[in-house]
Amino acid sequence: DTEVTQTPKHLVMGMTNKKSLKCEQHMGHRAMYWYKQKAKKPPELMFVYSYEKLSINESVPSRFSPECPNSSLLNLHLHALQPEDSALYLCASSQVLQGGTEAFFGQGTRLTVV
Amino acid sequence: GESVGLHLPTLSVQEGDNSIINCAYSNSASDYFIWYKQESGKGPQFIIDIRSNMDKRQGQRVTVLLNKTVKHLSLQIAATQPGDSAVYFCAERGGNNRLAFGKGNQVVVIP
Repeated sequence: DTEVTQTPKHLVMGMTNKKSLKCEQHMGHRAMYWYKQKAKKPPELMFVYSYEKLSINESVPSRFSPECPNSSLLNLHLHALQPEDSALYLCASSQVLQGGTEAFFGQGTRLTVV
Repeated sequence: GESVGLHLPTLSVQEGDNSIINCAYSNSASDYFIWYKQESGKGPQFIIDIRSNMDKRQGQRVTVLLNKTVKHLSLQIAATQPGDSAVYFCAERGGNNRLAFGKGNQVVVIP
């Protein structure tokens, strides 16, 4: 199983809503990532978890709150978003190896904030 | 800050010809590089990787070249096929598993 599963695939939310994006992998990977991708742009790193602990926060606004409840799951809690937060949100996972190893990506959640 | 970038935004190539996509990086501390392919509406898909102690790595129809002297990475696709039409990103891994992407290069295969 080399799959990273993201749910939901599409999400429309109002600026006062609270919603969560979910990501799951069963490859035994201990590094998990959230990226934001706008149209025709590269994925921008938001958060990295290593061994279920937050290791990187790329100065992301607090209206985005990540959570890693166990080694297979990664959530992104959303609250009071702005229309400019509309984007494709990608989750990825990888092994934690010195020298690096490939990251596997999910298909993303297409988020629209209205 | 330091970043990974690409020279050409769009590459049009005749089916059957070879494609070359280039990428310049500036973070000399990065020791691992990946090429990803992203099709419309999908997540990035791994193509090939290379570590900084290598200068060339070959896969099936793809070759990655790394020139650390000029901080340059390239992806060669042999006998380009219509299914190769996509956006290609190079990415570099730094400390704390930070995986940063370059700007992307659209490849359009002409039948």
